[in-house]
Amino acid sequence: SAVISQKPSRDICQRGTSLTIQCQVDSQVTMMFWYRQQPGQSLTLIATANQGSEATYESGFVIDKFPISRPNLTFSTLTVSNLSPEDSSIYLCSAQGGLNSNYGYTFGSGTRLTVV
Amino acid sequence: AQSVTQLDSHVSVSEGTPVLLRCNYSSSYSPSLFWYVQHPNKGLQLLLKYTSAATLVKGINGFEAEFKKSETSFHLTKPSAHMSDAAEYFCVVSEGRGSTLGRLYFGRGTQLTVWP
Repeated sequence: SAVISQKPSRDICQRGTSLTIQCQVDSQVTMMFWYRQQPGQSLTLIATANQGSEATYESGFVIDKFPISRPNLTFSTLTVSNLSPEDSSIYLCSAQGGLNSNYGYTFGSGTRLTVV
Repeated sequence: AQSVTQLDSHVSVSEGTPVLLRCNYSSSYSPSLFWYVQHPNKGLQLLLKYTSAATLVKGINGFEAEFKKSETSFHLTKPSAHMSDAAEYFCVVSEGRGSTLGRLYFGRGTQLTVWP
């Protein structure tokens, strides 16, 4: 399966600032996704990162708050903008499809964000 | 539309006794189904997946799950729990099949506690 390197693994940020999270996949993948996991909750899909075009956002998530880039088939970033304490969560990227995927999903190790 | 219901938010078992984590799904067609495990402060790890082959799926660490279409269930079992099995378990359904699995839908998770 593909391997994802997600950075940073954790961060503490001041409210009003932004955090950009990066995911690098070791092979080309068809699809990349960004999830949020709030404390004690399951994973919620934020958006599907589309290569070379705007991301597709789920209901309740908007581009101004969660801008996403995917410049190629191995890399994507998620920015969480104008941070507030409610944004404190774990953010995970996921990849699926491609030669090394065996039709499965791979997840990054997550970014634990604390907003103070 | 796809959805997943994990019937128990918490399951507690003694070491050496069987584990049963229940999952029901709703899908407009034959889904692909997964179980993932998340240990504290760790990323998501795939335990097993069902993608239309044998209905009894064997995964890692002695876990297995049986796809029962008539019951729309995909319960996870293990004959004998180990202390290292204590973690959060997620039942997941995808909206696609084969090489294009699309987005995932996560259950709310089941926290497994293993007592010595």
